Amino acid sequence: KAGVTQTPRYLIKTRGQQVTLSCSPISGHRSVSWYQQTPGQGLQFLFEYFSETQRNKGNFPGRFSGRQFSNSRSEMNVSTLELGDSALYLCASSPGPPHEQYFGPGTRLTVT
Amino acid sequence: AQKVTQAQTEISVVEKEDVTLDCVYETRDTTYYLFWYKQPPSGELVFLIRRNSFDEQNEISGRYSWNFQKSTSSFNFTITASQVVDSAVYFCALSEETGNQFYFGTGTSLTVIP
Repeated sequence: KAGVTQTPRYLIKTRGQQVTLSCSPISGHRSVSWYQQTPGQGLQFLFEYFSETQRNKGNFPGRFSGRQFSNSRSEMNVSTLELGDSALYLCASSPGPPHEQYFGPGTRLTVT
Repeated sequence: AQKVTQAQTEISVVEKEDVTLDCVYETRDTTYYLFWYKQPPSGELVFLIRRNSFDEQNEISGRYSWNFQKSTSSFNFTITASQVVDSAVYFCALSEETGNQFYFGTGTSLTVIP
């Protein structure tokens, strides 16, 4: 089976812009989670979608949003980018709890 | 509230030494799941193991072994005869029964010196 894929892998944006990141889960997996990883804060949970419904949301401002499509592919959007949004954004898929999550390679976002 | 603590920030060992990575967790749930992930320099998190709260059997997989002790809320990971390829950041994580939100520790950076 193909693994979790994320596009793009690298992105450079300017403060104030918005960005959309894409994630394709492993075939058959209906749960997609997003995480932000930074050196200072570590791995922080953003949100989780299951069958197009957001089930959990982490402690991030409303500028961070996401959605899941009927084919389980997911996108996350960050509006009005700030310098502090520079991070590695990781997507993970799972058949659903309590199974393990399988992570994609991440999208490294740099905000200048 | 759920919390995972990995007190060891960085560890360096010489190749072929054994090394244990500590993980202590907090949860009020009676059913929960524990995980270990490896993040090599390439950045992709690799799943290593999952344990549920009702299964306290230790597990061995090749050079890797895991010791789960509910009495001390610990889920430690031992690498035997370490190799340079084991150099990575290792994360311990906890999830509750019903949600798919993982609570990650801050990670332990392991360097194996040849």
